[in-house]
Amino acid sequence: AQKVTQAQTEISVVEKEDVTLDCVYETRDTTYYLFWYKQPPSGELVFLIRRNSFDEQNEISGRYSWNFQKSTSSFNFTITASQVVDSAVYFCALEVGNTGFQKLVFGTGTRLLVSP
Amino acid sequence: EPEVTQTPSHQVTQMGQEVILRCVPISNHLYFYWYRQILGQKVEFLVSFYNNEISEKSEIFDDQFSVERPDGSNFTLKIRSTKLEDSAMYFCASSADRAGEQFFGPGTRLTVL
Repeated sequence: AQKVTQAQTEISVVEKEDVTLDCVYETRDTTYYLFWYKQPPSGELVFLIRRNSFDEQNEISGRYSWNFQKSTSSFNFTITASQVVDSAVYFCALEVGNTGFQKLVFGTGTRLLVSP
Repeated sequence: EPEVTQTPSHQVTQMGQEVILRCVPISNHLYFYWYRQILGQKVEFLVSFYNNEISEKSEIFDDQFSVERPDGSNFTLKIRSTKLEDSAMYFCASSADRAGEQFFGPGTRLTVL
């Protein structure tokens, strides 16, 4: 079964704190992609990152960084020096394709509240 | 930068009415998708569409739902007889190839009264 688990329902931090959002996935596919999306209160899905299953290198983009560990089936997302504008729901997703056509399986999301 | 667009941004309808949600995918993309997000819940796959036919659909996508590419630019989701539980945000997405990144539209919020 293809599944994404985001165990943290809600996280509250104070501005400038670092925060890590956890994501654990399950798949039998050997090739897959992992994603993170941000959903601000306005509702749209903002693409943050797409990572191939063969690329386990950690990635950093500004204040954002991602730690992909195949051994633990985890793809965690860290925001360094959080800001109020980071407040949103964050979704981790797994791209799978049983029929050869891809679809995204999303986790339940983690709501991040950053207070001033 | 090319983007996926969706109209309307918000639709309110009465239970039992038909609604059509419209999407304009990125122009050179060939694979199209609809996802649904009930308020406060996760985003769920509904259907994928390629070469004028459905390639995969989820259990949610029952006979009340249909998709169509009526012309070279639009991709529509029709709900024939809406129910209260169809109230959700509906996202359209498109990709250039089968394993390519899916680009999401801003969503249509459907409210069924």
